[in-house]
Amino acid sequence: QSALTQPPSASGSPGQSVTVSCTGTSSDVGTYNFVSWYQQHPGKAPKLMIYEVSKRPSGVPARFSGSKSGNTASLTVSGLQAEDEADYYCSSYAGNNNYVFGGGTRLTVL
Amino acid sequence: EMQLVESGGGLVQPGGSLTLSCSASGFTFSSYGIHWVRQAPGKGLEYVSAISSNGGITYYADSVKGRFTISRDNSKNTLWLQMSSLRDEDTALYYCVGDGFDIWGQGTMVTVSS
Repeated sequence: QSALTQPPSASGSPGQSVTVSCTGTSSDVGTYNFVSWYQQHPGKAPKLMIYEVSKRPSGVPARFSGSKSGNTASLTVSGLQAEDEADYYCSSYAGNNNYVFGGGTRLTVL
Repeated sequence: EMQLVESGGGLVQPGGSLTLSCSASGFTFSSYGIHWVRQAPGKGLEYVSAISSNGGITYYADSVKGRFTISRDNSKNTLWLQMSSLRDEDTALYYCVGDGFDIWGQGTMVTVSS
């Protein structure tokens, strides 16, 4: 199973919005609404930020939002803050109890 | 507080074996499927294995199939990942993750090297 495709980097200034894409195939992102996004700060475990394409777990700021169109999912961070600087990974259910992750995107707050 | 704690990582030679453990607390372990996700140094996340809440269904990524075995004992709130025929490319931080991917352990490091 191939990894989902993410841009290696993204950036924005404080207060701006940035969108990170996650491209899969019709076997994963395109078929299942089980796309999740994770935030990982250096030396820390990943933290779930978005699940089922657009749902936010309790405690995740509303600045984080998710969407999907066809085989591509997106994470948008609005009103960028310094603490949003981290690596972001997407994942998707791919059928047969399998999940696939993206390669990760390093978000830099300028 | 819902918590997963991994242990058992270490340095092992290529071809060797190692068993990772994952202990759960703060939630009803027997109601949750559990996943293993690994991260090689400086790399992204890779889905490795999973087991259903009652242990009846297991999954293995192609990269570990036939070499890794996942199991659990709900009476002990514990999960294991038995790893054999280890390769250099198995070197990674191994995370135990709750179903829903909302609970992550801190990870245990496995280094395969001669």
